[in-house]
Amino acid sequence: DAGVTQSPTHLIKTRGQQVTLRCSPKSGHDTVSWYQQALGQGPQFIFQYYEEEERQRGNFPDRFSGHQFPNYSSELNVNALLLGDSALYLCASSLGTGGGQPQHFGDGTRLSIL
Amino acid sequence: AQKVTQAQTEISVVEKEDVTLDCVYETRDTTYYLFWYKQPPSGELVFLIRRNSFDEQNEISGRYSWNFQKSTSSFNFTITASQVVDSAVYFCALSPLNSGNTPLVFGKGTRLSVIA
Repeated sequence: DAGVTQSPTHLIKTRGQQVTLRCSPKSGHDTVSWYQQALGQGPQFIFQYYEEEERQRGNFPDRFSGHQFPNYSSELNVNALLLGDSALYLCASSLGTGGGQPQHFGDGTRLSIL
Repeated sequence: AQKVTQAQTEISVVEKEDVTLDCVYETRDTTYYLFWYKQPPSGELVFLIRRNSFDEQNEISGRYSWNFQKSTSSFNFTITASQVVDSAVYFCALSPLNSGNTPLVFGKGTRLSVIA
């Protein structure tokens, strides 16, 4: 039973560049959420995708965008990268969008901005 | 507003000691879920437990136990006879169901170090 997989594991970019992170949900899950975890902090919710649409969004600027594909996998895109975007980006999947659903997380993508 | 506070930033214990991780939450929602997650150095958040706001029964799973007290808005986590493998960052999280737009609101985490 494959869990949540994310790619790449690590990424180094420079300010102003654009980046795309990828996530495949746990088998049987249809909802994908993205979180940003700065060093020493708890994860912060970015947005959630269900049925290929953004369903909920946290307090993040429009530079952060996403997509969900028919096979439920998802991408997170960040444009015009800033030094403050350096963080661990976590993808979580669940069955449905209900708030009480346990979310299963991947290992994350560590993004470093130089 | 939804908020989770984990006042203990770091805790260090000797193997076999018991340790309690504190979690206090704030929400105006009457219906919500509370979670604990473990984050080992690999980065993956591992789901440990979910409780809903209507169930205040304490729960025990092996060496882990959870104490949910609605009157004090607390959901504390105790590890009995700690082991080195318990070393990780532990996060408490809240999922409000009546309002808000975030599936999970996390605390800042407590880093637990268990020394052999």
